[in-house]
Amino acid sequence: GAGVSQSPSNKVTEKGKDVELRCDPISGHTALYWYRQSLGQGLEFLIYFQGNSAPDKSGLPSDRFSAERTGGSVSTLTIQRTQQEDSAVYLCASSPRGGAKETQYFGPGTRLLVL
Amino acid sequence: SQQGEEDPQALSIQEGENATMNCSYKTSINNLQWYRQNSGRGLVHLILIRSNEREKHSGRLRVTLDTSKKSSSLLITASRAADTASYFCATDAGGTYKYIFGTGTRLKVLA
Repeated sequence: GAGVSQSPSNKVTEKGKDVELRCDPISGHTALYWYRQSLGQGLEFLIYFQGNSAPDKSGLPSDRFSAERTGGSVSTLTIQRTQQEDSAVYLCASSPRGGAKETQYFGPGTRLLVL
Repeated sequence: SQQGEEDPQALSIQEGENATMNCSYKTSINNLQWYRQNSGRGLVHLILIRSNEREKHSGRLRVTLDTSKKSSSLLITASRAADTASYFCATDAGGTYKYIFGTGTRLKVLA
């Protein structure tokens, strides 16, 4: 596709359930980022993938959060045993090589609501 | 935390006026970027300014950077209703891939 896509657009789940959020980066981009944005707040860095290197997981808020990137392309963010405080918009971005001077191209986000 | 802080948090102006937003950060940077976000969805890159640059222009946008004050400003001239959005600055942690985003300025341009 022409841009970064994310699915689903919206997800409503019950507290305690697991959810999976998907991100399809721009073809050829080796760097992929996940962010979380709570209502009216800035972006909180979650995790970074670059090629075949070990991901930077330093932003994951708890061990209930995990992410993987298969084949250097599609990424899935999994939240286990969801809590109400997990409600937020989850944004994915990709960039060509993850360099500091590069533009990050964002997907439209997944709006997660945990009841 | 190195997180940038935008000022003001919210700004409401009339169409045709100029809008100025400021960003302050805490640690040394190599690059600073500004992004726009419409309706709480994905962000769109506006402009990147390097630490050795003081000013940069792109269309109606003008960005300044003062590394001695650890601050940047984004000026939108001759604003339009379509400029209504949230604007974020993002700073790199000394030139790494990890950008820290500020809390944003919500701009509303009234037609």
